[in-house]
Amino acid sequence: LAKTTQPISMDSYEGQEVNITCSHNNIATNDYITWYQQFPSQGPRFIIQGYKTKVTNEVASLFIPADRKSSTLSLPRVSLSDTAVYYCLVGAPPSGNTPLVFGKGTRLSVIA
Amino acid sequence: DSGVTQTPKHLITATGQRVTLRCSPRSGDLSVYWYQQSLDQGLQFLIQYYNGEERAKGNILERFSAQQFPDLHSELNLSSLELGDSALYFCASSPMGGAGEDTQYFGPGTRLTVL
Repeated sequence: LAKTTQPISMDSYEGQEVNITCSHNNIATNDYITWYQQFPSQGPRFIIQGYKTKVTNEVASLFIPADRKSSTLSLPRVSLSDTAVYYCLVGAPPSGNTPLVFGKGTRLSVIA
Repeated sequence: DSGVTQTPKHLITATGQRVTLRCSPRSGDLSVYWYQQSLDQGLQFLIQYYNGEERAKGNILERFSAQQFPDLHSELNLSSLELGDSALYFCASSPMGGAGEDTQYFGPGTRLTVL
């Protein structure tokens, strides 16, 4: 199971772009990278998922370099409502039976 | 709304008691996961069921057990409760077994308070 490392916390002002990087040095060939967002007392919510290069949706962008040993979640022009914990997950190989396991996440605080 | 439902929303009980938490997955999802989240702690994976069978086990105590029924809903049983078991318990479901591009969808959680 690929282990992930991400910063414990980050601060940002409203309107800025925020980039959260996750390291996953032992990512397997078939692993996907998934990011979740969690607000206090709520369950995590899927944000974005990718395998390689760049993925963009209405909420965020995900940048994955060619070696796939890291990934960066980019949140454009954050607002106060983006204050949350962000989790990076890397999937187990399809032949395995271990599911995605959440780490500690990155606590993002957006300041007015 | 993720489509995953959990009952009850809140549960207050005493030490030594036993409780059952219930989860209904999204329609069509075959996997159900249980997580525990204590105050200011990350999500601790407890157990996963896939189509009625136990698929993976995490840091689940022997006092805890779970099952997934033929209609795919799941129950988490917590017995001999201790103060430290007070936490948010989340259920999640995913279409397949959890690997690759399978995505987990989380319910709103059950807040358990043990007095």
